[in-house]
Amino acid sequence: GAVVSQHPSWVICKSGTSVKIECRSLDFQATTMFWYRQFPKQSLMLMATSNEGSKATYEQGVEKDKFLINHASLTLSTLTVTSAHPEDSSFYICSARGMGQQETQYFGPGTRLLVL
Amino acid sequence: AQSVTQPDIHITVSEGASLELRCNYSYGATPYLFWYVQSPGQGLQLLLKYFSGDTLVQGIKGFEAEFKRSQSSFNLRKPSVHWSDAAEYFCAVNSNSGYALNFGKGTSLLVTP
Repeated sequence: GAVVSQHPSWVICKSGTSVKIECRSLDFQATTMFWYRQFPKQSLMLMATSNEGSKATYEQGVEKDKFLINHASLTLSTLTVTSAHPEDSSFYICSARGMGQQETQYFGPGTRLLVL
Repeated sequence: AQSVTQPDIHITVSEGASLELRCNYSYGATPYLFWYVQSPGQGLQLLLKYFSGDTLVQGIKGFEAEFKRSQSSFNLRKPSVHWSDAAEYFCAVNSNSGYALNFGKGTSLLVTP
């Protein structure tokens, strides 16, 4: 149980285009989803927290107009990187926390984004 | 401010040897503590967690961790390491916001034959 999927697993795009990443909780309802960013050989940095049906809460320094987050249902959250640039290339990981799961987060497998 | 410190960036152990990965936290209240493992290019897998109760917690893959409040530590241990344990290990604590995790910088484990 507690499986989280992400799609796509990797994406290559041209500079200036937008990329959408999906995060799904497959066998539980995720009341809260989190988006993290991880640079090579570094730790995970929280980008934003989203609760179903609410606007996402962004961490300081994260541009909300660039990283659009939608949590439209209890099983799906999306992260859209708008007008992507090479510096946005990174490993994006989502996690989800469900009802009755206390503080435990379950992580997706990650999406590797390369912007050319 | 709350923080998580993993003092060892890299650790190398021989297969079959014991392992201990260190984690120290700074947190104003009783923390929720986690250990995750990440294989190259993969997401994070939960190894174990501590919320309350018995300070020695058992996890998957033969790992255990001990919460020591007096030392603000939550060290991860395994009595006999397997080559498949080579990965990046992250200690995490829930943040002041209650739900988001604050991660340490990670410890990279290399297992030699």
